[in-house]
Amino acid sequence: NAGVTQTPKFRILKIGQSMTLQCTQDMNHNYMYWYRQDPGMGLKLIYYSVGAGITDKGEVPNGYNVSRSTTEDFPLRLELAAPSQTSVYFCASSYSIVATHDLDTQYFGPGTRLTVL
Amino acid sequence: GENVEQHPSTLSVQEGDSAVIKCTYSDSASNYFPWYKQELGKRPQLIIDIRSNVGEKKDQRIAVTLNKTAKHFSLHITETQPEDSAVYFCAAKFAGGTSYGKLTFGQGTILTVHP
Repeated sequence: NAGVTQTPKFRILKIGQSMTLQCTQDMNHNYMYWYRQDPGMGLKLIYYSVGAGITDKGEVPNGYNVSRSTTEDFPLRLELAAPSQTSVYFCASSYSIVATHDLDTQYFGPGTRLTVL
Repeated sequence: GENVEQHPSTLSVQEGDSAVIKCTYSDSASNYFPWYKQELGKRPQLIIDIRSNVGEKKDQRIAVTLNKTAKHFSLHITETQPEDSAVYFCAAKFAGGTSYGKLTFGQGTILTVHP
């Protein structure tokens, strides 16, 4: 298994541009997450999904959008990029029992380093 | 809302010493507490986790203890080695409301092990 993969690894955007960060997992996990990690800081949840067709906001959703059309893919869309969105973005996935929300290990992708100038 | 406090923010030890990192959480219904290690420029990776029905769990040089009454849990690393140097994050899964399967992370501890 490749686990959780993310593309691109690095990207520089100009203010006002848009882009989509791709995330794919091949572990048949139902839960998927997007986090951002600012330099020297912890992980903040942007959006998450408990299954295909279901998404919900995390702690810092403003300026981002997500969709979950398949179990494997969970793209993150940035519209009108701003310097405040300069960060490292991590996608993660886990298997959880939906009825009880019991969590199994959360696996992270390698991250996308985004700079907005 | 959910809150996880992690201390200390930095920890410096000599090789062979023990290191302890502590976290407190706000929601007494929390039931899953993982610890992640993140090396510079790498992704966070799970090193150990504990569920609320267990008080302690060990894996070689790493152990985690959970005190549900006091709402805190700790990571213990014994016989530290330079390769243990990294940022360590605690997290808690809150069981109430609309939290579903979300984890809330602590702020991180930068551990430096000096040879």
